[in-house]
Amino acid sequence: DAGVIQSPRHEVTEMGQEVTLRCKPISGHNSLFWYRQTMMRGLELLIYFNNNVPIDDSGMPEDRFSAKMPNASFSTLKIQPSEPRDSAVYFCASRDDNEKLFFGSGTQLSVL
Amino acid sequence: GEDVEQSLFLSVREGDSSVINCTYTDSSSTYLYWYKQEPGAGLQLLTYIFSNMDMKQDQRLTVLLNKKDKHLSLRIADTQTGDSAIYFCAETNTGFQKLVFGTGTRLLVSP
Repeated sequence: DAGVIQSPRHEVTEMGQEVTLRCKPISGHNSLFWYRQTMMRGLELLIYFNNNVPIDDSGMPEDRFSAKMPNASFSTLKIQPSEPRDSAVYFCASRDDNEKLFFGSGTQLSVL
Repeated sequence: GEDVEQSLFLSVREGDSSVINCTYTDSSSTYLYWYKQEPGAGLQLLTYIFSNMDMKQDQRLTVLLNKKDKHLSLRIADTQTGDSAIYFCAETNTGFQKLVFGTGTRLLVSP
């Protein structure tokens, strides 16, 4: 398996633009997580899904953030409109039945 | 809520042992994990321990768990320059739902 695949690897956009981050979990994993990493706040859980259903979105910063998982092999995290303080590395991770979490390589987002 | 704490920085010489410490607050933690993050990369699972275990050894890595004190440590024997990275401690909350991560410890190994 290729592991958790995220795209794009890098995204540079201007304030106010819509940003969509994509994730393909490892096949057969039932849980998917979106994390955000910054120097100031470390690794923060934004939202996670179980069997494509959002379970806990309490970490989503504001209504500008939304996440979907239309099927077991794809998830998106959308920011609309984006702001400079959203600049961070966004990680997607999926979990296997043995409770091990596998991370993608992340999307480095810069909002100018 | 759950909280996981780590020291921010550790510096050792190549060949020495490194010990990275972590404390957590959730007494119902079931699994505890150590992840490694190299520059520009995602987090890579190094090892994990079930809460009914005291110790787990995996080649150069030794994990010690003191459940009474809610203290977890990762010992790296014969530390190499390639071990330089950020190490994250994490625990699952009840129900195996989400992982709560510590702040990460930056390990610097000098030749």
